[in-house]
Amino acid sequence: EIVLTQSPATLSLSPGERATLSCRASQSVSSYLAWYQQKPGQAPRLLIYDASNRATGIPARFSGSGSGTDFTLTISSLEPEDFAVYYCQQRSNWPPAFGGGTKVELK
Amino acid sequence: EVQLLESGGGLVQPGGSLRLSCAASGFTFSSYAMSWVRQAPGKGLEWVSTISDSGGSTYYADSVKGRFTISRDNSKNTLYLQMNRLRAEDTAVYYCAKAVVAARHRDAFDIWGQGTMVTVSS
Repeated sequence: EIVLTQSPATLSLSPGERATLSCRASQSVSSYLAWYQQKPGQAPRLLIYDASNRATGIPARFSGSGSGTDFTLTISSLEPEDFAVYYCQQRSNWPPAFGGGTKVELK
Repeated sequence: EVQLLESGGGLVQPGGSLRLSCAASGFTFSSYAMSWVRQAPGKGLEWVSTISDSGGSTYYADSVKGRFTISRDNSKNTLYLQMNRLRAEDTAVYYCAKAVVAARHRDAFDIWGQGTMVTVSS
């Protein structure tokens, strides 16, 4: 079973700053990694799939990179609505596991 | 508009049963694998189960295998999760979610329902 480890657990930033979130897999998942955003009381929203493809309607300030075991989600300039929890998820093997999440909070 | 709407959650005693439903609209339901993902209060996301577009293949997390059954009715555009022998640790918001690519069993999830709360407690 593949384990995804996200870091840091919490990221304290201000609007306009750049956010860099990491997701590391316990074994290679090729490029089969997705990123989600979740706000309190809401369902997750798909941001990135297959490591670097933005989902429909996702702003260009969100970008994903990486392959194999190391992946990054970058938010180039934080908007007020971007403060949320972010999860990665692999689809390389069963079960399609999620990481533990990174909370991006207002500094 | 593409939409998923869950129902059927509630309070149930340990050892009891519950059946969740997820009504889909706005896309060709029969072309996509569908999944259930849950989130315990204050915790992260946990994949629970996936069913293929035809319903011929099903997959389960070890934590629910033998207790939960996923199914679908493509004529009614509805996904189900039958949950038996419920435990306190099954307490969570349950989301149904749609695969990104048609016919792909193991995929990311691009459309999510609003979730339905299941509480297992005496």
